[in-house]
Amino acid sequence: SQQGEEDPQALSIQEGENATMNCSYKTSINNLQWYRQNSGRGLVHLILIRSNEREKHSGRLRVTLDTSKKSSSLLITASRAADTASYFCATDHWGAQKLVFGQGTRLTINP
Amino acid sequence: GAVVSQHPSWVICKSGTSVKIECRSLDFQATTMFWYRQFPKQSLMLMATSNEGSKATYEQGVEKDKFLINHASLTLSTLTVTSAHPEDSSFYICSARGLAGGIEQYFGPGTRLTVT
Repeated sequence: SQQGEEDPQALSIQEGENATMNCSYKTSINNLQWYRQNSGRGLVHLILIRSNEREKHSGRLRVTLDTSKKSSSLLITASRAADTASYFCATDHWGAQKLVFGQGTRLTINP
Repeated sequence: GAVVSQHPSWVICKSGTSVKIECRSLDFQATTMFWYRQFPKQSLMLMATSNEGSKATYEQGVEKDKFLINHASLTLSTLTVTSAHPEDSSFYICSARGLAGGIEQYFGPGTRLTVT
């Protein structure tokens, strides 16, 4: 299976702290995307990083990509209770139309 | 921004019946639509890729005769779960890729199917 791996599977931190989630994949990518999903809801696109990029920022989000290690990380700074959700990485592989989703990290922000 | 809708948002049906789920791109034309399935506390698993006007490409292990996909227009794809069983109960999510072949996919809000 091409499905990527994410760790940790679950993360619980205090409001205000930073949260870091990691994603690893197996084959070369065109780009990697991060999504958020609140319980029982659809996906919200957070950020896309292309294979020739190493770091990208969007508000309190920072994404890094290391193609040599086939890994990416998502950092959420100054977390808020509203950040509580599941976070998924998804890889877009060369030659394939489809996204392959990682297993996800369930993030809980405690007030 | 690009919006994808799904209808219905939830449905309960009896075992043995068929259920149709619609996925529409509201403000753009989508040459390619994707159907995913998500079990509780699990990730999204791609079921099939559909291109407008052609047959869907199913992922390994997905029964094409059970999950019928039709992508008849550039703004509508449908997934029909035929002869539904309780194990088909799941969250079904569609996504769409734009006409220009852009790399972004836009996701619908999902449909929760419960088969009793």
